[in-house]
Amino acid sequence: GENVEQHPSTLSVQEGDSAVIKCTYSDSASNYFPWYKQELGKGPQLIIDIRSNVGEKKDQRIAVTLNKTAKHFSLHITETQPEDSAVYFCAASQRSNDYKLSFGAGTTVTVRA
Amino acid sequence: ETGVTQSPTHLIKTRGQQVTLRCSSQSGHNTVSWYQQALGQGPQFIFQYYREEENGRGNFPPRFSGLQFPNYSSELNVNALELDDSALYLCASSDGETQYFGPGTRLLVL
Repeated sequence: GENVEQHPSTLSVQEGDSAVIKCTYSDSASNYFPWYKQELGKGPQLIIDIRSNVGEKKDQRIAVTLNKTAKHFSLHITETQPEDSAVYFCAASQRSNDYKLSFGAGTTVTVRA
Repeated sequence: ETGVTQSPTHLIKTRGQQVTLRCSSQSGHNTVSWYQQALGQGPQFIFQYYREEENGRGNFPPRFSGLQFPNYSSELNVNALELDDSALYLCASSDGETQYFGPGTRLLVL
């Protein structure tokens, strides 16, 4: 099955700086890579996703890059704000497996004011 | 808001008991998946239902079972509860690819 590894496990950044979270996956058949943000006491919220036919996708302060050859993808948050503090999860899935998600272990991001 | 609701929000059970967790998906979403999230870990896939039929299962024993109903609601049943079953149980509904999660049910087994 798919194995997703996520680094770092914790990340502390100064408000206004950038945050980068990296994930690797093992199954070359994976073709859908979402990122979720989970705040305390809540379920994961989809913040951005990327499919294997593109290398980069951006949505305001959030961007995701994908390198299929190296089997890794990254989340970039620019101009971080205190409300960006949360746990972020990467995940991988494939259409042939009906998009059953395999998650990384999560990154706890703390934005210092 | 994802349009996915779960009940109850919290639940306490004792070892050996049975529990039923409920989820209401978004209208039109034919696929529902259940995940178990232990404290400090990422969600783990339990199983998926598509149009009321089980459509894949993760590495969970048969005492974890589910149902999906025509009205876009679903259930997760766990028999013979064990202490390690203590976790946040998440339901996710999908229109095919993108999964939208509910807030989860926090289960504590004593």
